[in-house]
Amino acid sequence: QQPVQSPQAVILREGEDAVINCSSSKALYSVHWYRQKHGEAPVFLMILLKGGEQKGHEKISASFNEKKQQSSLYLTASQLSYSGTYFCGTLGRDSGAGSYQLTFGKGTKLSVIP
Amino acid sequence: ETGVTQTPRHLVMGMTNKKSLKCEQHLGHNAMYWYKQSAKKPLELMFVYSLEERVENNSVPSRFSPECPNSSHLFLHLHTLQPEDSALYLCASSQVTGDTGELFFGEGSRLTVL
Repeated sequence: QQPVQSPQAVILREGEDAVINCSSSKALYSVHWYRQKHGEAPVFLMILLKGGEQKGHEKISASFNEKKQQSSLYLTASQLSYSGTYFCGTLGRDSGAGSYQLTFGKGTKLSVIP
Repeated sequence: ETGVTQTPRHLVMGMTNKKSLKCEQHLGHNAMYWYKQSAKKPLELMFVYSLEERVENNSVPSRFSPECPNSSHLFLHLHTLQPEDSALYLCASSQVTGDTGELFFGEGSRLTVL
């Protein structure tokens, strides 16, 4: 079952912050985050494997709350280059290691304007 | 350049045609994937090959036929498609070690079925 992302779309001015949420109805083994710019391939941002894990990637970081079965992506001091659609992908704990069933959410379209 | 190359980038075909999509990865990965991306829908996993063996087949109609002749090449053979099959078909590869690992996507083949 696909994870649910919120919000579906967000518009930011340069320098503003945003949070994108990804929630699942089932226990999770891992959460992946990708960004896709218009007309380009999705690009990997990070994987979170453990509950409570937090990772950072420049000014983009994420957390994984295993108990709540959700992950959040934090974008701070946004730049024009952050524009794109952000996808979370989840691997269920019932499939977990050795499974290839990464299920993606519908995406959150982020637009950063000057 | 992600190390995953897809051809053709654009394809228009009639419902009675037979065509193939090609994917090549130059990353030495052990798994390759086909995903379908339609407007306003999440990325849908179609097929997964690990070490040249098919490990996932997500109830994809038989008019889509994958082929993985070696660990670097993946094909998607198309025949008697329907207009609703029009979409962006993304190939990806990863090095699987427990989790699916980071997916490296190609830029996709945009398919239009008339």
